[in-house]
Amino acid sequence: DIQMTQSPSTLSASVGDRVTITCRASQSINSWLAWYQQKPGKAPKLLMYKASSLESGVPSRFSGSGSGTEFTLTISSLQPDDFATYYCQQYDSYPYNFGQGTKLEIK
Amino acid sequence: EVQLVESGGGLVQPGGSLRLSCSASGFTFSSFWMNWFRQAPGKGLEWVANIKRDGTEKDYVDSVKGRFTISRDNAKSSLLLQMNSLRAEDTAVYYCARGQLTGDYWGQGTLVTVSS
Repeated sequence: DIQMTQSPSTLSASVGDRVTITCRASQSINSWLAWYQQKPGKAPKLLMYKASSLESGVPSRFSGSGSGTEFTLTISSLQPDDFATYYCQQYDSYPYNFGQGTKLEIK
Repeated sequence: EVQLVESGGGLVQPGGSLRLSCSASGFTFSSFWMNWFRQAPGKGLEWVANIKRDGTEKDYVDSVKGRFTISRDNAKSSLLLQMNSLRAEDTAVYYCARGQLTGDYWGQGTLVTVSS
């Protein structure tokens, strides 16, 4: 199985900050990576797919990059609505494992 | 508007069974792969199973193989998850989601609690 590791586990930031979350795969997954945002008590929301493709309706302040084993999700200017937990997910091979999550908190 | 609504969760004893349903609307259900994901209380997300558009291909995470069965009824736009031999570690919110590789639309989830 491919293991996914996110860092950091928790990130404290302020509105307007630029933040980056990293996701590493235990082996190459090409660009078969998705990013999700989840708020407490709610279902996850798809943000990015194929590492750098923005899902329809997602603000352009979100961007993704990477290929192979290392990936990043960047939020260019944090908005109040962005404080949530973020997960990466590989879909190169079964099982489609997730990272453990990064909780983005208000500083 | 795409809508996915799960039902069937509840409290069940270890070793028991439960059948989850996901009712889909707002899109052509038979044209999409579908998934089940789960999230244990306070934990991260886990992909559980998926099923091809016509039901001919299915795959499962190892921890549920032989115990869970995913199926679909395209005539009723319904996704099902039959869960047998339930264990405490199956306690989670179960979500259905549309898509073959990622989940672009998710339901609100249904809570399954396995406890004596």
